[in-house]
Amino acid sequence: KAGVTQTPRYLIKTRGQQVTLSCSPISGHRSVSWYQQTPGQGLQFLFEYFSETQRNKGNFPGRFSGRQFSNSRSEMNVSTLELGDSALYLCASSSEPGRTYEQYFGPGTRLTVT
Amino acid sequence: ELKVEQNPLFLSMQEGKNYTIYCNYSTTSDRLYWYRQDPGKSLESLFVLLSNGAVKQEGRLMASLDTKARLSTLHITAAVHDLSATYFCAVDGMEYGNKLVFGAGTILRVKS
Repeated sequence: KAGVTQTPRYLIKTRGQQVTLSCSPISGHRSVSWYQQTPGQGLQFLFEYFSETQRNKGNFPGRFSGRQFSNSRSEMNVSTLELGDSALYLCASSSEPGRTYEQYFGPGTRLTVT
Repeated sequence: ELKVEQNPLFLSMQEGKNYTIYCNYSTTSDRLYWYRQDPGKSLESLFVLLSNGAVKQEGRLMASLDTKARLSTLHITAAVHDLSATYFCAVDGMEYGNKLVFGAGTILRVKS
């Protein structure tokens, strides 16, 4: 069974630009969560999607948004990039919401904002 | 607000020695998780602890959970260089929307 995949793996953007990251969950998994990892703030929850609906959202500004498609693939978008958005963005999938104990993490997308 | 504290944040060990990483959390929580992260890599799940008194072991690592004390420990026995990584504990709970709340992580360096 293929694992969680994230594309692209590395990305360099300039301040003010926007970026879209993609996450494909494990086959059969319908819940996707996103996390941001930075040296200063550590690992923080961004949002969770299930059945194309955002079920939960972390404490991030509105520049961070996401969506989920009917095939459970998810994208997150960051608009008007700031230097502080440089981070490793991880997505994780599980079969249903709340099944964090069976959650698998993808390899991450390393975003660098210059 | 659910907070998770790990200590120590940095641990330098000699091979063959034993040590323990501690994870305290601030409120009741349903589950406690331990993850390993190698530099530049994603999170690898090590243990999921679901109830008070739970103990799980895998190789040289053993994790335990005391929900009354809101404390989990990750014990390292006879450390080897391959255990060098960053270890995170995390908790979740229905009242927090089942999102994972992570500790700051413990950087473990095992010296030969």
